[in-house]
Amino acid sequence: GAVVSQHPSRVICKSGTSVKIECRSLDFQATTMFWYRQFPKQSLMLMATSNEGSKATYEQGVEKDKFLINHASLTLSTLTVTSAHPEDSSFYICSASPQIKNSPLHFGNGTRLTVT
Amino acid sequence: QKEVEQNSGPLSVPEGAIASLNCTYSDRVSQSFFWYRQYSGKSPELIMSIYSNGDKEDGRFTAQLNKASQYVSLLIRDSQPSDSATYLCAVNIKAAGNKLTFGGGTRVLVKP
Repeated sequence: GAVVSQHPSRVICKSGTSVKIECRSLDFQATTMFWYRQFPKQSLMLMATSNEGSKATYEQGVEKDKFLINHASLTLSTLTVTSAHPEDSSFYICSASPQIKNSPLHFGNGTRLTVT
Repeated sequence: QKEVEQNSGPLSVPEGAIASLNCTYSDRVSQSFFWYRQYSGKSPELIMSIYSNGDKEDGRFTAQLNKASQYVSLLIRDSQPSDSATYLCAVNIKAAGNKLTFGGGTRVLVKP
């Protein structure tokens, strides 16, 4: 089955620093990957769509200069949280699907970010 | 109206009973429907996909799709405490650029 790997699983950083999260599709190519954020006891919120070889598409209200997305290859997308603040503490999850019609999304294991 | 709606629950069911979860969606032309299970602190995992009207069974899970009424449901037979989780309904919504749109999830509690 399609496997999506996300790293790191957990990170604690100080306020003002930047954190990079990697998302890899291990056994398929993904021209598109999706980044979600989930606060405790809330539903998944799509942050942005990562497009291989072009700019990411951000959802309304998501700051593109704060959440930098790079999708340099068909198997890797990265999300960098720049100048992190405590309110950025959340569970960040990436997802991707094989390029087959109606194929479901497969999720990485998520990254728990804590900004102190 | 939200694009994908679910009752937030919690849905409390005794062990061994059937848990019935419902999901309605707004886009009449949606073609792909998925159920994900999410344990607390974990990422969602796919448990069922359904594309045609009717029932689809996989082990203790049955997905039911009715496109005319725009709803999709999930039945969990012989519910186990390990089934306690949040279940997310996801639908490809054309108006959202064919992105997979998630409902808010239904929290299920299976009591021994």
